[in-house]
Amino acid sequence: ETGVTQTPRHLVMGMTNKKSLKCEQHLGHNAMYWYKQSAKKPLELMFVYNFKEQTENNSVPSRFSPECPNSSHLFLHLHTLQPEDSALYLCASSQDGTDTQYFGPGTRLTVL
Amino acid sequence: AQSVAQPEDQVNVAEGNPLTVKCTYSVSGNPYLFWYVQYPNRGLQFLLKYITGDNLVKGSYGFEAEFNKSQTSFHLKKPSALVSDSALYFCAVRDMGGGSYIPTFGRGTSLIVHP
Repeated sequence: ETGVTQTPRHLVMGMTNKKSLKCEQHLGHNAMYWYKQSAKKPLELMFVYNFKEQTENNSVPSRFSPECPNSSHLFLHLHTLQPEDSALYLCASSQDGTDTQYFGPGTRLTVL
Repeated sequence: AQSVAQPEDQVNVAEGNPLTVKCTYSVSGNPYLFWYVQYPNRGLQFLLKYITGDNLVKGSYGFEAEFNKSQTSFHLKKPSALVSDSALYFCAVRDMGGGSYIPTFGRGTSLIVHP
């Protein structure tokens, strides 16, 4: 295991639902990331937090709302999603300056 | 700006044969280069990285990669493939001269090792 956990592992939701994805890292890192992985597309960076401050928002629609209450936890709040949002959502962490990212197992999201 | 290309969507190789997964990059300064592997239903796992020094980098599970500055390439190699090496492989690059520490990932290459 990489030291990064994600829950739930699978999520099915309707377009009118509200749900949240959770990520926790046990590595003492100070940077955390959300990525979206869709089939046959490059990994898409969504958000970056460094020392709990959001440093990147890669033009992500407002129906995705991140929250980083401390350096170990990262949430992705979801509301009124679209079917094209169905994907694997990956969380990662790194120690600023060392570059190597450690990924969680991902949450497989299906939007009906 | 930084970018990375993985020209092959899929690579097929017989078990016991050598394998190569290709990666080329573009940066304005010097590159940090990475390889990650993703097994089914798992997140990405770090394999190896090049920052500076010896052009041949050795990583986990017997993999290695060669940095070639003139060809702007960082191909992943293994002398003898195993069926268990079948997975999705991602190359990533970060421009050392850039202001961000966030790497750019390629589209991924699916490696299939046949028994």
